[in-house]
Amino acid sequence: GAVVSQHPSRVICKSGTSVKIECRSLDFQATTMFWYRQFPKQSLMLMATSNEGSKATYEQGVEKDKFLINHASLTLSTLTVTSAHPEDSSFYICSGVGGSSYEQYFGPGTRLTVT
Amino acid sequence: EDQVTQSPEALRLQEGESSSLNCSYTVSGLRGLFWYRQDPGKGPEFLFTLYSAGEEKEKERLKATLTKKESFLHITAPKPEDSATYLCAVQVTGANNLFFGTGTRLTVIP
Repeated sequence: GAVVSQHPSRVICKSGTSVKIECRSLDFQATTMFWYRQFPKQSLMLMATSNEGSKATYEQGVEKDKFLINHASLTLSTLTVTSAHPEDSSFYICSGVGGSSYEQYFGPGTRLTVT
Repeated sequence: EDQVTQSPEALRLQEGESSSLNCSYTVSGLRGLFWYRQDPGKGPEFLFTLYSAGEEKEKERLKATLTKKESFLHITAPKPEDSATYLCAVQVTGANNLFFGTGTRLTVIP
């Protein structure tokens, strides 16, 4: 299967600071990338969809000014959590879709803890 | 309203004890139904995609089936390494995103 990486795997930051998470498709070109958030013992909730070279589409209730998404190339998307607060602490997971396939391949996730 | 429901929420099996996980869905139009495996602290690992009722796919001890209302993930003679959370997700016609169920947490006891 296709491989997606995320960096960092874990990050701890202080309240009010910003954190950037990178998502890379290693062996395919991801025309579309997705960002999900997962709270403990809950399922994945879609935050936003990004297409290369276009503005991201955010799900209802997700603040676009707080969660900045950039999909600058076919292999890289970034999520920046701005002015992070403790309630933003969560597991953030990205996925990519490439070519004519509908299958999404997920990264290993990033554990964000805001203190 | 599109809805995906997985049952049971948790399942404990003895090693070698076969069973099935259920994913019921109600969507306006199904493009595909996906099964993923997720280990604690990791991202989901792709298992299967099913596109039409009657379709079946197999991989080692796992077999996924699809009807117009639900999908089953059959686990034959499970081993402890099959312990994980199994997620079902649907993709609606005309959309790229996935809508996930809450998962079934499987524990296989040696």
